[in-house]
Amino acid sequence: NAGVMQNPRHLVRRRGQEARLRCSPMKGHSHVYWYRQLPEEGLKFMVYLQKENIIDESGMPKERFSAEFPKEGPSILRIQQVVRGDSAAYFCASSPPTTKNIQYFGAGTRLSVL
Amino acid sequence: SQQGEEDPQALSIQEGENATMNCSYKTSINNLQWYRQNSGRGLVHLILIRSNEREKHSGRLRVTLDTSKKSSSLLITASRAADTASYFCATDDGQGAQKLVFGQGTRLTINP
Repeated sequence: NAGVMQNPRHLVRRRGQEARLRCSPMKGHSHVYWYRQLPEEGLKFMVYLQKENIIDESGMPKERFSAEFPKEGPSILRIQQVVRGDSAAYFCASSPPTTKNIQYFGAGTRLSVL
Repeated sequence: SQQGEEDPQALSIQEGENATMNCSYKTSINNLQWYRQNSGRGLVHLILIRSNEREKHSGRLRVTLDTSKKSSSLLITASRAADTASYFCATDDGQGAQKLVFGQGTRLTINP
C-alpha cells in the first residue's frame, strides 16, 4: 500500500511563473490536507479538501493560491505568479474518513523561486 | 497564532541517554500528537494522546499530557543515532476543524 505520493519532489520556478504541486493520497483516504513549512519552522495549515469539495481554506493566502481535489486524479496545489516568499516545502497529508485525527504525510515538494 | 510551542528548540545528547521534549499549547484540545521529521523528509506520526488521557507509551516513547497546564512531554528512552530528527507536537484547533496546528519543533541530535 503506497503512502502519500507527492510530485515533483523539487520544483524550481522563476518569479512570475506558475507552480503546480500534485498529491495522491493513500488508497482509501478521501481527505487531503496541504501544509507549508518555511525553513526552521513548523508546518502551517493551508487547506483541507475532500473529493470535489474545499472544506476549510482558512490558511490559504487570499491571492495566487488555489487547490483542488477532483473526482479523478490527484489533488493539485496551484500557485500563480510565484514570488521569492513562496519558496518553502509544501506537504500534503491524507486521512481516512473514519480516523481523521491522524494524518499521513507525503515527502513534500520543495519549491524554490529564483 | 502559534498553538503548540516546543521546548527546547534544539537538544543534543549522547547515544543511550534519554531525551525529553516539551510542548505547550494555548486552547482547549481534543487530542495531541507527536510527529518526527528527518532532515528533508516528510512527517512520520509517532503517537496520539487524547485529552482524557494522562500518559501513553509506544516502544521507547512515553508521552504525557497535562491539560490543566496545557502541556505535553515526549520522552525517548535509550536514544539511538537513528532518533536524530526534528520532533513536532500538533494539536487540533479545539474548534472541531480537521487541521493540525504544529509547533516549531525540537531538533534532536544523538551523538554516537
